[in-house]
Amino acid sequence: AQSVTQPDIHITVSEGASLELRCNYSYGATPYLFWYVQSPGQGLQLLLKYFSGDTLVQGIKGFEAEFKRSQSSFNLRKPSVHWSDAAEYFCAVGAATGGGNKLTFGTGTQLKVEL
Amino acid sequence: EPEVTQTPSHQVTQMGQEVILRCVPISNHLYFYWYRQILGQKVEFLVSFYNNEISEKSEIFDDQFSVERPDGSNFTLKIRSTKLEDSAMYFCASRTGGLAEAFFGQGTRLTVV
Repeated sequence: AQSVTQPDIHITVSEGASLELRCNYSYGATPYLFWYVQSPGQGLQLLLKYFSGDTLVQGIKGFEAEFKRSQSSFNLRKPSVHWSDAAEYFCAVGAATGGGNKLTFGTGTQLKVEL
Repeated sequence: EPEVTQTPSHQVTQMGQEVILRCVPISNHLYFYWYRQILGQKVEFLVSFYNNEISEKSEIFDDQFSVERPDGSNFTLKIRSTKLEDSAMYFCASRTGGLAEAFFGQGTRLTVV
């Protein structure tokens, strides 16, 4: 069974500082990995995804993530955080099971940005 | 930009009542999903739907739940005889297929009292 672990429940960073959110996954085959962001009262917005190829993927809003197969990780990074980045971030792994490709989410990391 | 639309945004219902949550997926999408997020917990998969039938469902999706695509645009989740523990945010999602990502709606917050 697939699973996702996000070890950090809450993270606080200062505006302008760098950010790294951790994600570890468990999946038997090649994973389809995603990062979604959820702002208060909003739905889930896709930041970036990884299926194959270059292990460093670029997303929207200046985010990037690096896939490391040896560590079963897919950490999200941003060089300089903006106050508007305060939100909850979810890592997810997808499995192509009969075309359904359901997503399994981590518990999320709540990001607070100090001005 | 096309988006997944969910109605209502918030629904309050009494325990034991039936509720129908509605979703309009993106028009050219073929795969449809319902997820839920109990307050403070992770987003959980409920069911996937393709070609007018359920393709996969989780253990949560028992006989109390049903899904339907009654016409070419709507995708509904029915919860019969709601329980307090059904209180959650319910997200609808859709995607085209293959390796395409899922697009999520804004969610319906269901409160069972």
